[in-house]
Formats: sequence, C-alpha cells, structure tokens
Amino acid sequence: KNEVEQSPQNLTAQEGEFITINCSYSVGISALHWLQQHPGGGIVSLFMLSSGKKKHGRLIATINIQEKHSSLHITASHPRDSAVYICAVSGGTSYGKLTFGQGTILTVHP
Amino acid sequence: DTGVSQDPRHKITKRGQNVTFRCDPISEHNRLYWYRQTLGQGPEFLTYFQNEAQLEKSRLLSDRFSAERPKGSFSTLEIQRTEQGDSAMYLCASSSPAGGNTGELFFGEGSRLTVL
Repeated sequence: KNEVEQSPQNLTAQEGEFITINCSYSVGISALHWLQQHPGGGIVSLFMLSSGKKKHGRLIATINIQEKHSSLHITASHPRDSAVYICAVSGGTSYGKLTFGQGTILTVHP
Repeated sequence: DTGVSQDPRHKITKRGQNVTFRCDPISEHNRLYWYRQTLGQGPEFLTYFQNEAQLEKSRLLSDRFSAERPKGSFSTLEIQRTEQGDSAMYLCASSSPAGGNTGELFFGEGSRLTVL
C-alpha cells in the first residue's frame, strides 16, 4: 500500500461541472501539497496546507488531519483545467522532501 | 527572477554514456531538491541540498548518480554509465527556509532523459 493514495486515477468531466479529487495518506505529515502538472512536465504548486481549508480562485483544498484525508475541489471546471493533479505530503522539517501520490488525470471537455 | 530553470530540457543518449543536468533555483532559495518521474508515476525523491550541503540521498540514487551544489546556488546531477532504466524526467525544485512563506516548492520544467 502506497503512503499517499489518490482517487480517482482518471476523471472526465464536462465544462462547468464541480470536480473533487481525493487524497488519503498513512504517515504523519507536516504539510500536504496539491500540485498541477501539464503535459510536457512542468509542475506548479497549487496549495500547501497543514489544516483547514484554502481557496484560490475556483480551486479549494481541504484537509482533515484526524482522518488523514484531503480533497481538492474545482468549481465551474474549464477545459484549461485539464492536467494531472498530484497530492504530496511532507514530514518533519524538510518541507520539500515530498512523498507523491500517483496523480489524477483530469480531462474537462467543452 | 524567472523561476527554476533546468538544462537541457531533453537529452537523448546511448547506453553507457554519461549525462549531466543543471538546475538553477530561484535565487533566494537555499533548499534544492531533485526528483525523478517515470511515465505514469508520481515523482520520487532523489536528493536534497540545503545551501551547498547534501543533507539527504534516496536509496534510489545508485553509485552511478552524483549530485553537487558547489556554491549553494546552481546544482548538477550527473548519471554515469547510463542504463535504459534511467530514462525518466528529472525534476528540480527549490524552496525557501521554514518561516515566512514556508516550504512551498517551485519546480523547474524538468529534463527528460531518453537512453537508447
């Protein structure tokens, strides 16, 4: 069993739909990261959170430390949101040494 | 500053050759990370520098792999005697110290290695 598990692995949506991607982890963490990766490789950090909820534009990330679970929500999805969304966790004082989930491939159709 | 840059973006080499990748982090970031990503998988941690000190290495980093950050700025990752299994995307990331804007990682575009 991986330390970080994401679901679903693949997600297809129609433009405008509300999207949820889930992440569960089995280790103690200091922070959880949501990342976006477009074809060609570049990774962009969307959120880093250790408790509660963060919002940026149409993106919302929540984390429940007790349940070791986080969700990434996209409201009013758009084809440009199509990408791989990756959950990763960090522990201790090395914030950047991340353990990654396998990613969720999101495709939003117009 | 334009962010983390990596060079080259693509490298095709024959098995047995040596390759070197370079990463230039965001200038004020003292932490630098190398990750490797194979197709369809999430990235895997390879090694981590704080300033010029290499503080941690993954067991994934065999003796053929060496990384340096000689002056605490740019870093190089060298792979000697490449094997086909080394084919992957090599990602570099940097971050600032804990405190303030803590721990957010900034990734480069990656260096894709193909070993024939």
